[in-house]
Amino acid sequence: AQTVTQSQPEMSVQEAETVTLSCTYDTSESDYYLFWYKQPPSRQMILVIRQEAYKQQNATENRFSVNFQKAAKSFSLKISDSQLGDAAMYFCAYRSDGNTGNQFYFGTGTSLTVIP
Amino acid sequence: DSGVTQTPKHLITATGQRVTLRCSPRSGDLSVYWYQQSLDQGLQFLIQYYNGEERAKGNILERFSAQQFPDLHSELNLSSLELGDSALYFCASSAFSGPSYEQYFGPGTRLTVT
Repeated sequence: AQTVTQSQPEMSVQEAETVTLSCTYDTSESDYYLFWYKQPPSRQMILVIRQEAYKQQNATENRFSVNFQKAAKSFSLKISDSQLGDAAMYFCAYRSDGNTGNQFYFGTGTSLTVIP
Repeated sequence: DSGVTQTPKHLITATGQRVTLRCSPRSGDLSVYWYQQSLDQGLQFLIQYYNGEERAKGNILERFSAQQFPDLHSELNLSSLELGDSALYFCASSAFSGPSYEQYFGPGTRLTVT
């Protein structure tokens, strides 16, 4: 089965600085999607960014960007110019696009603290 | 506000009981997903429905069942509840079934089993 690993349970960053959250995954599939979700204290799950495995170009969304290394099965999230509102739990997720029925696999999350 | 609604927001019940969680997807979305978020196991995908039919099944226990109705709302039924079933249950919806369609999450239902 696919697995998603987030090796950093907690991270902290100074406001306005840059932080990178790590994620690795294990799969034998060639077509899949990767996601980063943000869960603030309100517990609402919010999609931050998405990457299609067939695309070589790294996805970016404003201050959020990813470093997708398909061969290494690595999918890290970089947050630039960190803001207080970025403080949240961040989940990396994998979704297949094939015969396994489009199941979702989530990492255990990284709790990000932003220091004023 | 994602447009996905879940009721109730909180639910407290005893072991052995049965509960039903309800989800209304965003207007026009055909696909509904259920997730369980517990403290010790993170976020787990349970099941997906698309236009009334089961599309994918994840780590859903046999004591749990779900369905999607013709009006596209969905219900997750949890029976013979155990203490370990205490968790936050999320519903999400997307326009269609494939992974290229963004999922919008509801606010969740907090289930406490005592």
